[in-house]
Amino acid sequence: DAGVTQSPTHLIKTRGQQVTLRCSPISGHKSVSWYQQVLGQGPQFIFQYYEKEERGRGNFPDRFSARQFPNYSSELNVNALLLGDSALYLCASSWGERLYFGPGTRLTVT
Amino acid sequence: AQSVSQHNHHVILSEAASLELGCNYSYGGTVNLFWYVQYPGQHLQLLLKYFSGDPLVKGIKGFEAEFIKSKFSFNLRKPSVQWSDTAEYFCAVISNAGKSTFGDGTTLTVKP
Repeated sequence: DAGVTQSPTHLIKTRGQQVTLRCSPISGHKSVSWYQQVLGQGPQFIFQYYEKEERGRGNFPDRFSARQFPNYSSELNVNALLLGDSALYLCASSWGERLYFGPGTRLTVT
Repeated sequence: AQSVSQHNHHVILSEAASLELGCNYSYGGTVNLFWYVQYPGQHLQLLLKYFSGDPLVKGIKGFEAEFIKSKFSFNLRKPSVQWSDTAEYFCAVISNAGKSTFGDGTTLTVKP
């Protein structure tokens, strides 16, 4: 079975721009979560979606938004990028409470 | 607020040494506790989990963890580490409300 996939792998953006990151969960998984991981820190919870509805939100500004599609794939959008948004963005799909992580998207904001 | 604290940022051991990584959490309700591992060049993956029942849980590759409710701790242990255990280890708490919180991780280096 294919694992969680994310695209793109790497991305370079300029301050003020907008970015969209994509995630496809493991087949059969209905829940997708997004995390931001800055170097030297653990993953920080951004959003969780279950059955296309937002189930949880972390302490991130409104510049961060997400949605889940009928096929359970998900997009994370970040508007008005700041230098501090540079990080590895992880997507995880879940079966019960167990998370299955994707490889991440490395976002660099210059 | 939900939080997780991992006390050791970097641990260096020789092969066959015993390992214990500390994890303390704070949360007022029922939590599910996890240890995730990230081997060099690989994704985060589940090492072991505790939901309820026996507070001593066993995971993959000989790892185990003990949930001590009175101490809000979930320490990870392995009696004898191998070079292949070199990785970053994350303790995590997921509440019944679905919010997950990870610690900042412990980098384990095992010298051959």
